[in-house]
Amino acid sequence: QVQLVESGGGVVQPGRSLRLSCAASGFTFSSYGMHWVRQAPGKGLEWMASISYDGSNKVHGDSVKGRFTISRDNSKSTLYLQMNSLRVEDTAVYFCAKWATPGGIDYWGQGTLVTVSS
Amino acid sequence: EIVMTQSPGTLSVSPGERATLSCRASQSVSSNLAWYQQKPGQPPRLLIYGASTRATGIPARFSGSGSGTEFTLTISSLQSEDFAVYYCQHYNNWPPWTFGQGTKVEIK
Repeated sequence: QVQLVESGGGVVQPGRSLRLSCAASGFTFSSYGMHWVRQAPGKGLEWMASISYDGSNKVHGDSVKGRFTISRDNSKSTLYLQMNSLRVEDTAVYFCAKWATPGGIDYWGQGTLVTVSS
Repeated sequence: EIVMTQSPGTLSVSPGERATLSCRASQSVSSNLAWYQQKPGQPPRLLIYGASTRATGIPARFSGSGSGTEFTLTISSLQSEDFAVYYCQHYNNWPPWTFGQGTKVEIK
């Protein structure tokens, strides 16, 4: 079965960096685009970034553009999110998600919590 | 960027009753729309894609309709496990694929 397991979250000071990872299994990782979606405490879902199946195309949301970078290593079936210059407002649960063939998102990880605080 | 607007923000419904949730896109997304259900402490679950196709394992009481800019999710007879927050998301063309702000379905 499809599994997406995020790691790398934690407490970090404003201005610092963090890298999230998402280990994928149960499907051919190299055949699917992937996403990062976040959810601030008590708030709704915010799409953040997407990457094509081969990593050749990436897009980032305006709120993180220039600070966050999505990437992938298909040899390791792993998705990454490099987060630099973190802000208090980046505090959220970060979900890794699989691009569904017809569109949308068909599988989600359980999420990893990132807390940005001094 | 396409803005997705959901209404109402909160819907109070009695078990067994029908619930109707709306989602509006700021420009046409054709039928490239998905609905998700999220319960506290859990990731979202895909309910509907292509505006009206139920995802695998989703009960028939969930149905989606619409195209272009106006969409509806209907839960025909609410069960206890259906009380949750529901989000729409467009996936028109390449991302960004924005979400609506969510509709909370609560017990009346």
